[in-house]
Amino acid sequence: NAGVMQNPRHLVRRRGQEARLRCSPMKGHSHVYWYRQLPEEGLKFMVYLQKENIIDESGMPKERFSAEFPKEGPSILRIQQVVRGDSAAYFCASSPWTGEAYEQYFGPGTRLTVT
Amino acid sequence: RKEVEQDPGPFNVPEGATVAFNCTYSNSASQSFFWYRQDCRKEPKLLMSVYSSGNEDGRFTAQLNRASQYISLLIRDSKLSDSATYLCVATSGYSTLTFGKGTMLLVSP
Repeated sequence: NAGVMQNPRHLVRRRGQEARLRCSPMKGHSHVYWYRQLPEEGLKFMVYLQKENIIDESGMPKERFSAEFPKEGPSILRIQQVVRGDSAAYFCASSPWTGEAYEQYFGPGTRLTVT
Repeated sequence: RKEVEQDPGPFNVPEGATVAFNCTYSNSASQSFFWYRQDCRKEPKLLMSVYSSGNEDGRFTAQLNRASQYISLLIRDSKLSDSATYLCVATSGYSTLTFGKGTMLLVSP
């Protein structure tokens, strides 16, 4: 059973460009979460999605960031007009169901570097 | 106030030692708690869930004290491979995990 897959693993973008990060959840998992880890910081929740629905985006910056989880295909985290402060590791996690006593499994992450 | 607080360490211990990490959380509504392990530049991996009654998995024991909003992890007979950053995690709201910044453990020969 393949784990959570993310690509690309490393992404370099110049300031002002767009970054698209992809996440395929574990087989059988329909809940996807995105987290960001800035250098020397803890992981911070960004957004929680189910197929075709954004459930909780309370951790998403108000501008330039968007996420989707279409009916077919991977979840996408999109960052428009990237700035240096966007440089971080972006982790995706999935779980088979939701509720308080769930466990999330993480992908290997995408390391975004903005030059 | 930070939602989940941990001593960043590092904790330097010899192989075979017993080491304990503590963590406090501020959200009294948190229902579920976990310890994750993160190796350098890798993804977090679930180590164990934490239950009110306490739970043990091999050399690892986790405890939860809801009254004090305090979570602990005890590692017995430390191995070199236990060297990592240990992340204390509490649920926040319906679906999100709130992570502490982690406690670094270095086990030496």
